[in-house]
Amino acid sequence: DAGVIQSPRHEVTEMGQEVTLRCKPISGHNSLFWYRQTMMRGLELLIYFNNNVPIDDSGMPEDRFSAKMPNASFSTLKIQPSEPRDSAVYFCASSTGGIPYGYTFGSGTRLTVV
Amino acid sequence: DQQVKQNSPSLSVQEGRISILNCDYTNSMFDYFLWYKKYPAEGPTFLISISSIKDKNEDGRFTVFLNKSAKHLSLHIVPSQPGDSAVYFCAASAWGSQGNLIFGKGTKLSVKP
Repeated sequence: DAGVIQSPRHEVTEMGQEVTLRCKPISGHNSLFWYRQTMMRGLELLIYFNNNVPIDDSGMPEDRFSAKMPNASFSTLKIQPSEPRDSAVYFCASSTGGIPYGYTFGSGTRLTVV
Repeated sequence: DQQVKQNSPSLSVQEGRISILNCDYTNSMFDYFLWYKKYPAEGPTFLISISSIKDKNEDGRFTVFLNKSAKHLSLHIVPSQPGDSAVYFCAASAWGSQGNLIFGKGTKLSVKP
C-alpha cells in the first residue's frame, strides 16, 4: 500500500486566491482526518469524516475553510479566500475508525500564502 | 485551552543516555494515549501507545509510563541514538470519540553523538 497520499507537497499562493489540498486515504480505512500544524498551536484537528460523512468540523477555523469527501478514496480541503495566517503544514490521516493507533498520516502539504 | 500539554519545546541528550519526554493532560475522559514521532518533511508516525488500564508499556528501547492520578505520561528512550532526533507528539483519545486524537504541541529531541 502506498500509504496516505497528499497533493501537492508544496503550495505557494497569493493572498485572496483559492487553495485546494487533496488527500487519498489508505484503502479500507473508513475514517479520515485533516490536521494543521503550526509553531504556535502544534497539530490541530480541523475536521474528520467517518464513512465519508463529516462528523466533527468544530476545528475548522473559519467559513473560508471547507472540506469534502465525495467517496471513500478522496478528500479535499479548500481555503477560499486564502490569507497569510493560513500558512502552515496541512496533514491528512486515515484510520480504520475508533482505533487510535491505526492513524496513518500523509507527508503533508506545506502551504505558504504571500 | 489545551487538553494535552507538552511543556518542553525541546530537549537535548547525549547519545547512549536516557531521553525522557513528558506530557500532561487535563481531560479525565481520555483513556488511550499515544506517542508519535515526526521527522522533517514527513508526516507523524505512530511510535507506542498505552491504555488507561495500564501504567507501563514497553517496546524495545521505548517505554511509556502513565500516572493517571497526576494526569501525566512520559516516554523514555534508552539508550538514545542520533536517529531518534525528531519531534515527538503526545496524543490522547477518549472513549466514544471515534478515534479522534488530541495532540500536544510536540517536543523536539536532539540526540548528540
